[in-house]
Amino acid sequence: AQRVTQPEKLLSVFKGAPVELKCNYSYSGSPELFWYVQYSRQRLQLLLRHISRESIKGFTADLNKGETSFHLKKPFAQEEDSAMYYCALAFISNFGNEKLTFGTGTRLTIIP
Amino acid sequence: NAGVTQTPKFRVLKTGQSMTLLCAQDMNHEYMYWYRQDPGMGLRLIHYSVGEGTTAKGEVPDGYNVSRLKKQNFLLGLESAAPSQTSVYFCASISPGQGYNGYTFGSGTRLTVV
Repeated sequence: AQRVTQPEKLLSVFKGAPVELKCNYSYSGSPELFWYVQYSRQRLQLLLRHISRESIKGFTADLNKGETSFHLKKPFAQEEDSAMYYCALAFISNFGNEKLTFGTGTRLTIIP
Repeated sequence: NAGVTQTPKFRVLKTGQSMTLLCAQDMNHEYMYWYRQDPGMGLRLIHYSVGEGTTAKGEVPDGYNVSRLKKQNFLLGLESAAPSQTSVYFCASISPGQGYNGYTFGSGTRLTVV
């Protein structure tokens, strides 16, 4: 069965320091992975997806199939990065539709 | 273009009361989902729908029912609310073949059952 693990519930980082939010997955097929961000009391927004290999708001994430990881990184944290971050795995269900499995989330707090 | 709209935004229920949460999307998406968000548990799928008139159970369906009578609307019902259903509920939608462009989420409904 597919599973997404985010081992850190809380992460505090000083402004200007590097950030790494960990995500590991288990899935027998070819994974499609995403990072979603939720700012205080707002809806979830797509931050980035691994297939596009893009950098959004200074964040990057590389899919490592050998380690089954998709860690989110940013070299220099900013105060506006404080939010809840969810790693998610998309897959095709037995019924042929797309489904999204989320990790438990990491609350990132940037210390001024 | 509103995207995904959830109503109501907040609600307080007494144990045993019933209510319906509405999710409406104007993007002509085929698939719609209801999630609940709880601290330390992330988002868990309650029910989903792959098209008008079809629904299916997710991870945590007990205590909830859904209906998709119109393509643009996905209703989540609580027949007899329990305190364990206190949560933030999110609706999401996507169309097949979008190449995993990501789901569009609503802004959430914060439900408290006392």
